[in-house]
Amino acid sequence: ETGVTQSPTHLIKTRGQQVTLRCSSQSGHNTVSWYQQALGQGPQFIFQYYREEENGRGNFPPRFSGLQFPNYSSELNVNALELDDSALYLCASSLGSGGNTEAFFGQGTRLTVV
Amino acid sequence: AQSVTQLDSQVPVFEEAPVELRCNYSSSVSVYLFWYVQYPNQGLQLLLKYLSGSTLVKGINGFEAEFNKSQTSFHLRKPSVHISDTAEYFCAVTTYGSSNTGKLIFGQGTTLQVKP
Repeated sequence: ETGVTQSPTHLIKTRGQQVTLRCSSQSGHNTVSWYQQALGQGPQFIFQYYREEENGRGNFPPRFSGLQFPNYSSELNVNALELDDSALYLCASSLGSGGNTEAFFGQGTRLTVV
Repeated sequence: AQSVTQLDSQVPVFEEAPVELRCNYSSSVSVYLFWYVQYPNQGLQLLLKYLSGSTLVKGINGFEAEFNKSQTSFHLRKPSVHISDTAEYFCAVTTYGSSNTGKLIFGQGTTLQVKP
């Protein structure tokens, strides 16, 4: 059984650019959630995908968008990057979206916007 | 809306001493509660969770937590810490039966520093 894997591990982008982060969910999991963790802060919920449909969104602007594929892997896209988007982006997968199942986190992608 | 407050940003403690990391939450609906640990440059690992039933829950690595509904608290405890417990600890809640079901709301984190 493979765990949650994220790619790339580190990324440096210039303000105004666009970025795509990828997440492979744990085998058998149909729900993927994305979180942003700024330095010294707790993770903040961005959005969740359940069976390829968006299933809830946090307080993030529309330039943060996502996709979930038939194999339940997922992408997070951020357009028009701002300096404040610099953070660790965490992906978590779970079986179901009910909240009572364990969410397994990947190692994260460290995004630096310069 | 839900919120989580971790009352201590840093907790220094000597090896083999007991420790308590405090967490209070606010929610108008029923919640599930979690504690996660994050080691440097890594993702989050679940320590323990409260879904229902006994208010005292035991987790991995000797940690336990007690859910107190009247005080809206979910404090994490360990009777004897090791150097390897040095890490960032996050308390989190999610609701059930609402539009926010399954979305984790995290506290700001508590840095546990275990000294030899």
